[in-house]
Amino acid sequence: AQRVTQPEKLLSVFKGAPVELKCNYSYSGSPELFWYVQYSRQRLQLLLRHISRESIKGFTADLNKGETSFHLKKPFAQEEDSAMYYCALRVVSNYQLIWGAGTKLIIKP
Amino acid sequence: NAGVMQNPRHLVRRRGQEARLRCSPMKGHSHVYWYRQLPEEGLKFMVYLQKENIIDESGMPKERFSAEFPKEGPSILRIQQVVRGDSAAYFCASSRTSGGPQETQYFGPGTRLLVL
Repeated sequence: AQRVTQPEKLLSVFKGAPVELKCNYSYSGSPELFWYVQYSRQRLQLLLRHISRESIKGFTADLNKGETSFHLKKPFAQEEDSAMYYCALRVVSNYQLIWGAGTKLIIKP
Repeated sequence: NAGVMQNPRHLVRRRGQEARLRCSPMKGHSHVYWYRQLPEEGLKFMVYLQKENIIDESGMPKERFSAEFPKEGPSILRIQQVVRGDSAAYFCASSRTSGGPQETQYFGPGTRLLVL
């Protein structure tokens, strides 16, 4: 069965420090991976998707099929990055999103 | 575009009552998805609907839960005879199409259901 694991419930780093939010998945085929973010009192919104290979708000994520990972990285954290981050998997040609439990990122001043 | 709308934002029910959660998709979107999030967990898929059709309800509990997306009006998730375990955040998402590499699901703010 498909599964997404975010091993850290909480990650706290200082402003300006590098950030890495971990995401591992289990799926035998070719997945689509997403990162969604939920800022305080706002709705879930798409941050980035591996297919686009883009950088949003300084965040990047590379799909590593060998390690079945899709870690989210940012070289220099900003206070406004504090939020809940969710990794999600979609099986190709399906519509269901399979979600990790989320990581709460706190950026300390 | 106001985005995906959900109401109510918060709903309190006593055990045995019915809960009705509404979702209005973004303009131009005809695909609606419902997810449930229990405390400390990720979202779990419940049901996928298009106008007047249930496409996939594999994530719906077999009893007490139902969903519809009529030709006119919002999609409704209905929970009959609620129990404490139904307390959760229920999120609705919509998309213009289904599947496909460019399709994005846009989420509503969620409805927090509390069963006393």
